[in-house]
Amino acid sequence: DAGVIQSPRHEVTEMGQEVTLRCKPISGHDYLFWYRQTMMRGLELLIYFNNNVPIDDSGMPEDRFSAKMPNASFSTLKIQPSEPRDSAVYFCASSFSSRSTDTQYFGPGTRLTVL
Amino acid sequence: EDQVTQSPEALRLQEGESSSLNCSYTVSGLRGLFWYRQDPGKGPEFLFTLYSAGEEKEKERLKATLTKKESFLHITAPKPEDSATYLCARAQGGSEKLVFGKGTKLTVNP
Repeated sequence: DAGVIQSPRHEVTEMGQEVTLRCKPISGHDYLFWYRQTMMRGLELLIYFNNNVPIDDSGMPEDRFSAKMPNASFSTLKIQPSEPRDSAVYFCASSFSSRSTDTQYFGPGTRLTVL
Repeated sequence: EDQVTQSPEALRLQEGESSSLNCSYTVSGLRGLFWYRQDPGKGPEFLFTLYSAGEEKEKERLKATLTKKESFLHITAPKPEDSATYLCARAQGGSEKLVFGKGTKLTVNP
């Protein structure tokens, strides 16, 4: 299995531009998570989906952030407009729900720099 | 509010010098305690899940233990390749959310 795939791996953009991050979860997994990691705040959950439906978006910082999951093999996280404080590493993770195994497997991350 | 606190923030060991990392968490509704390893520039890599107090799991030089208030990651005779940031996270009953600690950065010198 290829694991969780994220693209791009690095993104540099200017303040005010739209940014779209992409994620392909592990085949067969029914949960998908978006996290943000910074030195100051560590790893924070932004939103998660179950069977393509958003379940909890309480971690989404503000209306500039949106996430979609149009099918079981693809999700996007969009920031519009982007601001310098959005600079961080964004991770996607997926898991398969069961009684005993709900481990989240992480992708390699997208390092976002907003100038 | 869910809290996960890891200590120390950073730990420097000599190769072969055993030690332990600590993860303390708020008690209510624990559904699982997770340990991950993160190398620079990479995503967290799963190590262990612990579900109940008294449970222990081992993998090579690492052993994770769980009590009612905290978890320990014991590293026996570490090698330089064990250098990484170790993250712990708790899952709460009724949700798939994980709350992560800020991690312990471990450096093992040869």
